[in-house]
Amino acid sequence: NAGVMQNPRHLVRRRGQEARLRCSPMKGHSHVYWYRQLPEEGLKFMVYLQKENIIDESGMPKERFSAEFPKEGPSILRIQQVVRGDSAAYFCASHYQGNTEAFFGQGTRLTVV
Amino acid sequence: SQQGEEDPQALSIQEGENATMNCSYKTSINNLQWYRQNSGRGLVHLILIRSNEREKHSGRLRVTLDTSKKSSSLLITASRAADTASYFCATSYRSARQLTFGSGTQLTVLP
Repeated sequence: NAGVMQNPRHLVRRRGQEARLRCSPMKGHSHVYWYRQLPEEGLKFMVYLQKENIIDESGMPKERFSAEFPKEGPSILRIQQVVRGDSAAYFCASHYQGNTEAFFGQGTRLTVV
Repeated sequence: SQQGEEDPQALSIQEGENATMNCSYKTSINNLQWYRQNSGRGLVHLILIRSNEREKHSGRLRVTLDTSKKSSSLLITASRAADTASYFCATSYRSARQLTFGSGTQLTVLP
């Protein structure tokens, strides 16, 4: 059973471009979190998703950011028109229904140049 | 803020010594989890303790939970250089659906 898989591991985008970050949860996991981490800081919650449903998006910036977790396929975090301040490591974590023990992927490091 | 807070922010010890990190939180929780993060890497789940548990062990790790003080501690016994990492607590609050992380404790174990 592979762990949580995130890709790409590193992503470089120019200002104004779009960034798409993918997260494949562990097999059987129905819930996904997305977090952002700036250097030397803790993880900041962004969004909490169940398949085809957004449970909590209170940590998502109001503009340019969106997330989905379709019935089939990975969860996607999409950042439109990226700015330098979006540069960070983005982590996803998944867990089973009814069990909040969450397992993390290795993260995607986004650099906006 | 519901954010858990780890204490100390940084800790440096000699190999073989024990390391204790603390985490405080604000409101009622369902459970509390501890994670380790090596520099530039993802988070590794260490241990989960439920709100009705007071102590839990896993190998060289010992976690306690005091719900009256709203605090938890992580003890690493007989530390090794490989234990050098950042350690985070994460709380699952009853009032929120998200998993809330503290800012972490940076542990350095000197050989």
